[in-house]
Amino acid sequence: TQLLEQSPQFLSIQEGENLTVYCNSSSVFSSLQWYRQEPGEGPVLLVTVVTGGEVKKLKRLTFQFGDARKDSSLHITAAQPGDTGLYLCAALIAGTYKYIFGTGTRLKVLA
Amino acid sequence: DTEVTQTPKHLVMGMTNKKSLKCEQHMGHRAMYWYKQKAKKPPELMFVYSYEKLSINESVPSRFSPECPNSSLLNLHLHALQPEDSALYLCASSQEGRASKTQYFGPGTRLTVL
Repeated sequence: TQLLEQSPQFLSIQEGENLTVYCNSSSVFSSLQWYRQEPGEGPVLLVTVVTGGEVKKLKRLTFQFGDARKDSSLHITAAQPGDTGLYLCAALIAGTYKYIFGTGTRLKVLA
Repeated sequence: DTEVTQTPKHLVMGMTNKKSLKCEQHMGHRAMYWYKQKAKKPPELMFVYSYEKLSINESVPSRFSPECPNSSLLNLHLHALQPEDSALYLCASSQEGRASKTQYFGPGTRLTVL
């Protein structure tokens, strides 16, 4: 069974702090997505990483795909209350149309 | 344009009602998905359509009936639902023939079954 383990599950920090969220698996994936979701809304795509070792930046968010394409991280610099939400990683099971999701990281940034 | 639209936004129905959820995308994606999401949990896959044919059914009860009339539209027909079926229902689509095969989600339909 392919799993995506996400950590931490919950994170409550003060505005201006930095944080890192991890998404780990024992399986190799051809790509991995990160989403942010707010309550009652659909997940919004933040980034897709494809190449092992790839680093992508989206304003204060930095995403990295592990060299072996088994893990990924999301780093937020100087978090703001607007970053509050559920962060999900997801990956496609090779040879299928099925995506698996991490368990999610619920982030709360306090003003 | 990376938009997936869903209607209605909210739906309240009784256990004897029949209703339908609708999803539309105009990105030329040939794979479309239905997910169910309970509060504070990740989305759970229900159905996948590929090239308008049902590709995956994750053992979903028959009271949920998917339909893909064409490559841009996806419906989910609901009949005789149970209160435990109350959830956020998400539609998504992804592109064929690309290594990344990124999945794009709609805003969801909040379903309440009374």
